[in-house]
Amino acid sequence: KNQVEQSPQSLIILEGKNCTLQCNYTVSPFSNLRWYKQDTGRGPVSLTIMTFSENTKSNGRYTATLDADTKQSSLHITASQLSDSASYICVAYSSASKIIFGSGTRLSIRP
Amino acid sequence: EAQVTQNPRYLITVTGKKLTVTCSQNMNHEYMSWYRQDPGLGLRQIYYSMNVEVTDKGDVPEGYKVSRKEKRNFPLILESPSPNQTSLYFCASSFPGLEGNQPQHFGDGTRLSIL
Repeated sequence: KNQVEQSPQSLIILEGKNCTLQCNYTVSPFSNLRWYKQDTGRGPVSLTIMTFSENTKSNGRYTATLDADTKQSSLHITASQLSDSASYICVAYSSASKIIFGSGTRLSIRP
Repeated sequence: EAQVTQNPRYLITVTGKKLTVTCSQNMNHEYMSWYRQDPGLGLRQIYYSMNVEVTDKGDVPEGYKVSRKEKRNFPLILESPSPNQTSLYFCASSFPGLEGNQPQHFGDGTRLSIL
């Protein structure tokens, strides 16, 4: 069964601290994985895409990793800011044209 | 500004009263899709369209209809809404590429309450 599991469900950290969000996927045949950021009251916005052959990719303070062997991805946020408060959604794509969304991690940054 | 526009943003209605949620994009995207988002669940795909006059069922199509008469518009129709269709709905669009190599652009959502 194709599925994406994210952990933790929610996370609260202090401004300036780092954090790592996890995503485990069982999607076959696997194609790509995207991380989206969803601000409260808004639609998701793509942060980064990880292809099968990529291990690490950075987008500013966001760094995504992918381990295709263990079927795990992580999103690391460095020096968090208040504007990072949002839900982060992991999305796995199969080459059979299936799109599987995780239920997201709700991140709260406290001043 | 490139965007996906949904209307209305909020709607409270009653069981059985037909409603339409409109979705329009100005990016000339071929692919459009509707999702619902419920607490504790990931986004679930209702219907999608690869191009004009081409639509397909997603994972949860029951109780919904769509049409794609023009490239920019993709309305979602609830012929006889029921309370279990109370949810947050998102429309999205992208260039072709269901393998995820094209990012989807999402609207800001329509919060629908069926009493």
